[in-house]
Amino acid sequence: GDSVTQMEGPVTLSEEAFLTINCTYTATGYPSLFWYVQYPGEGLQLLLKATKADDKGSNKGFEATYRKETTSFHLEKGSVQVSDSAVYFCALKGTYKYIFGTGTRLKVLA
Amino acid sequence: DTAVSQTPKYLVTQMGNDKSIKCEQNLGHDTMYWYKQDSKKFLKIMFSYNNKELIINETVPNRFSPKSPDKAHLNLHINSLELGDSAVYFCASSQKGGRDGTGELFFGEGSRLTVL
Repeated sequence: GDSVTQMEGPVTLSEEAFLTINCTYTATGYPSLFWYVQYPGEGLQLLLKATKADDKGSNKGFEATYRKETTSFHLEKGSVQVSDSAVYFCALKGTYKYIFGTGTRLKVLA
Repeated sequence: DTAVSQTPKYLVTQMGNDKSIKCEQNLGHDTMYWYKQDSKKFLKIMFSYNNKELIINETVPNRFSPKSPDKAHLNLHINSLELGDSAVYFCASSQKGGRDGTGELFFGEGSRLTVL
């Protein structure tokens, strides 16, 4: 069945460091792919998405490119801020369900 | 105006009790979901409904009974609560939940259930 694998956390970075969180997927066809962010005590918010191969999603300085050759959708940001500290989830859209990775906790230190 | 709203936000109850969580979406979506998030933040789908019809029941114990009175509402009733039911339960919705849909999932703020 469909699945999403993302890198284990926690990831701890200094402010202004470069961020990469790896995400790979297994699916039939080419599903829509998403990154969600969850701040402490809150629900999940959509960070960015891509609906077809080679699409690049971007938002708030974060980017991810849908790579069908490597079945990947890695999240990147050039310069992280303390306010980016949160849990990040990679997800794909299946049929009447969205499948999530295990989440990666990011902590950014001032 | 909250897009997906669920109540209550917190429930604390004893083992063996019954509890309900209500969810409403004002986005006009045709598909609604319940997800469970455990203490390690792992998100697992429990149920999905499309136009009030149950589509997915992901091997959830039958103590959990969802009900969708209309497309905008999906409630969750839990009987005979157990310690392992302690979690955060998220309601969510999307448009075109089927294979032809490409859009994102919209989440409610979650309902934190603590069973003592």
